[in-house]
Amino acid sequence: NAGVMQNPRHLVRRRGQEARLRCSPMKGHSHVYWYRQLPEEGLKFMVYLQKENIIDESGMPKERFSAEFPKEGPSILRIQQVVRGDSAAYFCASSFKSHGGNTGELFFGEGSRLTVL
Amino acid sequence: SQELEQSPQSLIVQEGKNLTINCTSSKTLYGLYWYKQKYGEGLIFLMMLQKGGEEKSHEKITAKLDEKKQQSSLHITASQPSHAGIYLCGADGARGAGSYQLTFGKGTKLSVIP
Repeated sequence: NAGVMQNPRHLVRRRGQEARLRCSPMKGHSHVYWYRQLPEEGLKFMVYLQKENIIDESGMPKERFSAEFPKEGPSILRIQQVVRGDSAAYFCASSFKSHGGNTGELFFGEGSRLTVL
Repeated sequence: SQELEQSPQSLIVQEGKNLTINCTSSKTLYGLYWYKQKYGEGLIFLMMLQKGGEEKSHEKITAKLDEKKQQSSLHITASQPSHAGIYLCGADGARGAGSYQLTFGKGTKLSVIP
């Protein structure tokens, strides 16, 4: 049973380009979460999605960032017009149940490391 | 907003020694999660604690939750090089539906010297 799969593992972009990060949740999981880990910082929640719905995007910057989890295919975190401050490790997690109410263990992927030159 | 402080920030121990990592919350803990991260890799789930006084063990790792102190500790007995990595605690900020976010500490970097 494959775990949470993220790709690419490493991505290099120049300022102003777009970055697309993909996440395939564990089989049977319909809840996806994106977290960002900045250098020397802890993991910060960005967005929580279920199939075709954004449930909570309170941790995601209002501009340039968007996320989706279509009916078919992986969840995608998209960063437009990247800046150097976007350089970070982006982790995706999935769960079987909603993590709300202290239920549902989160399984994390290995992360996508974005470097903006 | 909830904040988690981990101590120590880094730790170097001799193989075979015991060690403890602490995680203290600024707010009431409703659920506490311990993860291990190796550099350049993802997070490996270790344990989840939900009730005050709860204690769980897996192999040589034991975690406890002190709800009154808003604190959790992770104890490793007879450490081995394979225990090396960054240990992260994460917490649910609220009880009941609506808590979709885990707040994480900055991590404790553990090195084990053979």
